[in-house]
Amino acid sequence: AQSVAQPEDQVNVAEGNPLTVKCTYSVSGNPYLFWYVQYPNRGLQFLLKYITGDNLVKGSYGFEAEFNKSQTSFHLKKPSALVSDSALYFCAVRDGGGYQKVTFGTGTKLQVIP
Amino acid sequence: EAQVTQNPRYLITVTGKKLTVTCSQNMNHEYMSWYRQDPGLGLRQIYYSMNVEVTDKGDVPEGYKVSRKEKRNFPLILESPSPNQTSLYFCASRPRDSLVDYGYTFGSGTRLTVV
Repeated sequence: AQSVAQPEDQVNVAEGNPLTVKCTYSVSGNPYLFWYVQYPNRGLQFLLKYITGDNLVKGSYGFEAEFNKSQTSFHLKKPSALVSDSALYFCAVRDGGGYQKVTFGTGTKLQVIP
Repeated sequence: EAQVTQNPRYLITVTGKKLTVTCSQNMNHEYMSWYRQDPGLGLRQIYYSMNVEVTDKGDVPEGYKVSRKEKRNFPLILESPSPNQTSLYFCASRPRDSLVDYGYTFGSGTRLTVV
């Protein structure tokens, strides 16, 4: 069975500092990996994905994520955090080999402190 | 505008009273899915559909039904709601083609309270 772990319920970072939100995954085939962001009272919005190619993927709002196959990780990063980045972030995985189910992590609340 | 539309946004109902939450997408996506979001548990898949008349159970299907008679619509049915189904529900859709797979597009959510 596929799974996603987001080990931190909350991450606090000062505005202007780099941020990292961690994600590890388990899937039997090639992983398709996604990050989503959820603002209060809103649905989830797609940030970025990794399917194949360069291990460093860039997405919306200056976010990027690094795929590490040996560590089965897909950490979300941003060089300089903004207060407006404060939100709930979800990592998700599906098996690229054909099984279409998408599994989400439990979410990490990012708090950027002014 | 490409979107997934859920209705209603908020619903308070009583135990046992059948209800339907509607979901419609205008992107011609093959895949549609229902998730519930609960604090500390993240998003858990209830049901998903790979195309018209093709549906399958997710992780937490008990107490729910779905149907996919048209490509654009994927309603969620609670035949006899119970308080443990109080949750925030999301409908989502995505294309089958992996080359254009930008992940799910989510609706705005339905906050359901069963008393």
